[in-house]
Amino acid sequence: QKEVEQDPGPLSVPEGAIVSLNCTYSNSAFQYFMWYRQYSRKGPELLMYTYSSGNKEDGRFTAQVDKSSKYISLFIRDSQPSDSATYLCAMRKETSGSRLTFGEGTQLTVNP
Amino acid sequence: SQTIHQWPATLVQPVGSPLSLECTVEGTSNPNLYWYRQAAGRGLQLLFYSVGIGQISSEVPQNLSASRPQDRQFILSSKKLLLSDSGFYLCAWSNLYRGFSGNTIYFGEGSWLTVV
Repeated sequence: QKEVEQDPGPLSVPEGAIVSLNCTYSNSAFQYFMWYRQYSRKGPELLMYTYSSGNKEDGRFTAQVDKSSKYISLFIRDSQPSDSATYLCAMRKETSGSRLTFGEGTQLTVNP
Repeated sequence: SQTIHQWPATLVQPVGSPLSLECTVEGTSNPNLYWYRQAAGRGLQLLFYSVGIGQISSEVPQNLSASRPQDRQFILSSKKLLLSDSGFYLCAWSNLYRGFSGNTIYFGEGSWLTVV
């Protein structure tokens, strides 16, 4: 069983929709949670970074962590065609230094 | 600010040929460096990571090797490529001393390798 599960999609939504992307994990030792955005044929770029449970908001993006359910989410409000990309969740344990465990990514298309 | 450069961006190599991908990081010192491979439907696979010059840890036994001849330079190599080595290779860095986000990873633009 993978430590991090992420629905690969593809997910297609109309412009302006609220998008919800999710990951579940099995190891309660994960403490730091990240979301990366990857455009086609490009390297992933860090989008959001959160520690432990709670919400973090940055513009149209909100990252949510529920450690009791081992579940993290990324919400995109007022989605734009430029948000079309693959979104990868990542997480790490307190003892793993900077080594991350990644989900496989969800491919998102926002249609104009 | 920190930047990471990776090259070549794209290459097509015949089976059995050697490989050399290079990565350099600017604007930081003593970074942790990583090589990842990304294959379709398989997510990001950590191949090698390095915490200092000459210090390489291998995550997956394979046809590849890595070297770190300088603090901010990381090289991925192979003596003889296999078809299964095709994929998208990503160099990345992190730095423990960058505050709250210090333990996350920043990626280069990647190198597309096709072995034919």
